[in-house]
Order: sequence, then C-alpha cells, then structure tokens
Amino acid sequence: DAKTTQPPSMDCAEGRAANLPCNHSTISGNEYVYWYRQIHSQGPQYIIHGLKNNETNEMASLIITEDRKSSTLILPHATLRDTAVYYCIVRESGSARQLTFGSGTQLTVLP
Amino acid sequence: DAGVIQSPRHEVTEMGQEVTLRCKPISGHDYLFWYRQTMMRGLELLIYFNNNVPIDDSGMPEDRFSAKMPNASFSTLKIQPSEPRDSAVYFCASSLPRPSTDTQYFGPGTRLTVL
Repeated sequence: DAKTTQPPSMDCAEGRAANLPCNHSTISGNEYVYWYRQIHSQGPQYIIHGLKNNETNEMASLIITEDRKSSTLILPHATLRDTAVYYCIVRESGSARQLTFGSGTQLTVLP
Repeated sequence: DAGVIQSPRHEVTEMGQEVTLRCKPISGHDYLFWYRQTMMRGLELLIYFNNNVPIDDSGMPEDRFSAKMPNASFSTLKIQPSEPRDSAVYFCASSLPRPSTDTQYFGPGTRLTVL
C-alpha cells in the first residue's frame, strides 16, 4: 500500500467545514483512497473511499486531485461529535488484506 | 444488522490467567480480522480469516496467543497465560470484499487489563 502523510492535529470551529488533507504521492493506478476515523474509546469507523472521482455520502465528501497524489476529506458542518482521529489509507480495493493505520490527524472541533 | 459484536467489553485479569475474547462478525461477511491497539504501537493486525480459515497470523505476538473461527458467525482470541504487556484494546472487524470496495467494519473493542 502507498504511504500517506497527514498533519498530526487540526482544530475546527463547530458548524464550520473541516478540511483534512492527505498526501499520497506514490499512489498507484489501482489503489483507492480510504478514510476512517476513531472516536475516543470506540472502534475505527469507515467514512468514505474513492478512486479518482470526487465522492460524497451522508458523512463527508472526498476530493481527490487530478494527479491523485493528494486528497481532502471534508466534513461540511463539523459538530463536537466529529472530534476524533482521522486516518487516510491507500490500498487496492478488493485485496482483502489488513488495514495499515498510520498516525492519522487528531481533529478537535471547538465549541 | 447489529454490526460486529464483541464480548466482553472490559476484562481485568491477573497475570498467568487465561483470557478469551469473542467476536461475532456481520452476517454474510467472509473475512474476519483481529487487531490490537496500544499507545506505543497503535493499531496492528494480529490475524485474519477468510471463510473461517486463518490466512495470515504473522502478527500474532507469540505462542501464548491463539485464534479460532469454528463457524462463520463466531471467532475467539485466546491468551494463555496472560501477561501485563498484553494489556490493550482488542478489536474485531469483518468485511465482504468486492472489486471496488473492501470496507472493514469494526466492533466496539475489548479493553483488556492484565495485572
């Protein structure tokens, strides 16, 4: 799996959009970008994934640059419950192997 | 679906005792993963199964750890004898990989404390 780089921490005001960046400059053509988050004392939770097109679901939006070397996870209206560690993971989909979690970004949503 | 179910949620035991952690994956999922999380090492894979068969157990720390999956709806992770360094949160996850997605769904975890 390609290596990813994320800032260790970010703050966001409640109600504002949270934009979490991820660099994955060595991504290969068949690798997807996955985002998970882990709220304190809970198991990791899947958020969204994409290959090259922008994706949106009920939780978030994923913007992938045209060269696919970086991406941004957007939480449109952050709430206090979005405070968590966010992990960007690049992997081949359908590979059925373990997830390799890096250090992630600690997002703190401030009231 | 109730999601991945793990029990117990918390376990406190003394060094040398046997510990058994349990997991029920999401119905229909054919992959099951056991992860361990500590402050020092983060989240790391211990073992995973496909159709009840262990595929990769290279992450199992040592012979004191063993995992079984007797059927599609149940798996156990056993530590015998337990040691203080085994204290961690143990997560079970399941998935149903397809070409465009292999999302893993995690349980709430079992927090193990070995005194």
